[in-house]
Amino acid sequence: AQKVTQAQTEISVVEKEDVTLDCVYETRDTTYYLFWYKQPPSGELVFLIRRNSFDEQNEISGRYSWNFQKSTSSFNFTITASQVVDSAVYFCALSEDNYGQNFVFGPGTRLSVLP
Amino acid sequence: DADVTQTPRNRITKTGKRIMLECSQTKGHDRMYWYRQDPGLGLRLIYYSFDVKDINKGEISDGYSVSRQAQAKFSLSLESAIPNQTALYFCATSDLRRGLAGESGGELFFGEGSRLTVL
Repeated sequence: AQKVTQAQTEISVVEKEDVTLDCVYETRDTTYYLFWYKQPPSGELVFLIRRNSFDEQNEISGRYSWNFQKSTSSFNFTITASQVVDSAVYFCALSEDNYGQNFVFGPGTRLSVLP
Repeated sequence: DADVTQTPRNRITKTGKRIMLECSQTKGHDRMYWYRQDPGLGLRLIYYSFDVKDINKGEISDGYSVSRQAQAKFSLSLESAIPNQTALYFCATSDLRRGLAGESGGELFFGEGSRLTVL
């Protein structure tokens, strides 16, 4: 069965610090997709990234970067030089098909960036 | 305007009342979903629909029903609300396009959420 673990319930950092949010997943499929979503205090869910299981290249988008390691079943998310606007709950998710039929979310990590 | 719209955004009701949450989308996606968010539990799937004639139960469908009135509309009903159904509810859509090469689609697009409180 699929499972996503985000062991960090809450993290607090001071502005400009780097922070890494951990995500560990479990799946029996060889083809799967990993996602990160951001939920700011306003409550909406914002899509950040989608990665398929065949592509282990790390990705960087501005201050955001993602480290996908199949050997440890991890898909960690790093924010460099954090800003107050990064304060949110971040969800890691796993889908065992490309249609979202079996989409499983982790419990989320609440990030607080203090000025 | 949002691509995925949920109404109402906030609702307070009493135990035993029937409640309907509505979702409409302008993304043209075939797949629609209802999720429930509870603190510390992430999002859990209630129901999903692949097209107008297809309805499927998710992880936590007990106490809920859905109706897919059109490609763009997917409503969630609580026939007799109970306090432990107090939660934040999200509607989502996704695209049908498959692609390992030239990937596109697959992610869920969410509405803004409907906060339901059952007293």
